[in-house]
Amino acid sequence: GAVVSQHPSRVICKSGTSVKIECRSLDFQATTMFWYRQFPKQSLMLMATSNEGSKATYEQGVEKDKFLINHASLTLSTLTVTSAHPEDSSFYICSAIGDADGELFFGEGSRLTVL
Amino acid sequence: GENVEQHPSTLSVQEGDSAVIKCTYSDSASNYFPWYKQELGKGPQLIIDIRSNVGEKKDQRIAVTLNKTAKHFSLHITETQPEDSAVYFCAASTGGYQKVTFGIGTKLQVIP
Repeated sequence: GAVVSQHPSRVICKSGTSVKIECRSLDFQATTMFWYRQFPKQSLMLMATSNEGSKATYEQGVEKDKFLINHASLTLSTLTVTSAHPEDSSFYICSAIGDADGELFFGEGSRLTVL
Repeated sequence: GENVEQHPSTLSVQEGDSAVIKCTYSDSASNYFPWYKQELGKGPQLIIDIRSNVGEKKDQRIAVTLNKTAKHFSLHITETQPEDSAVYFCAASTGGYQKVTFGIGTKLQVIP
């Protein structure tokens, strides 16, 4: 099946710094990618839909200036958590649509810890 | 928008027994229903999916059924093994490049 690679898998940063997470589709082109946040023992919360070559569409309540999304190519989307604070600590997961039928493939996730 | 309800939230079964997880959806336009398995500290992995033109699909010990009239779909795992222990998410989508709506997840524990 299609492979989505996410990097880094774990990152620890100081409060106030910015962190970038990459999501790559390795063997297919992904016009659309999605970014989720997952709190412990909870489901995935969609943060935004990332479209190649255009601005991301953010879900209600998600600060677009806080969570910057760039989808500059058909195989790469990035999520930058700006001026991170401890409450931003979470598990961030990306996914990509594998084909026109809508099959969704997930990255391995990135655990962000803000000290 | 779509709303997906999933139950039970936790499920414990003895090794070798069957496990069933049930979901309902609200949007009659949904036509794609994937199931994901998420192990601790990892991203979800697609284990099986079904489309609205099919009532049942099976892949070895895993099967999924869909009742479009009732807007129900279920995951069945037979002959459970300890490595089946994980969190399972159902989801629904109208297909294409539309976003997928997830259920809340079921934590399955298979007791050796």
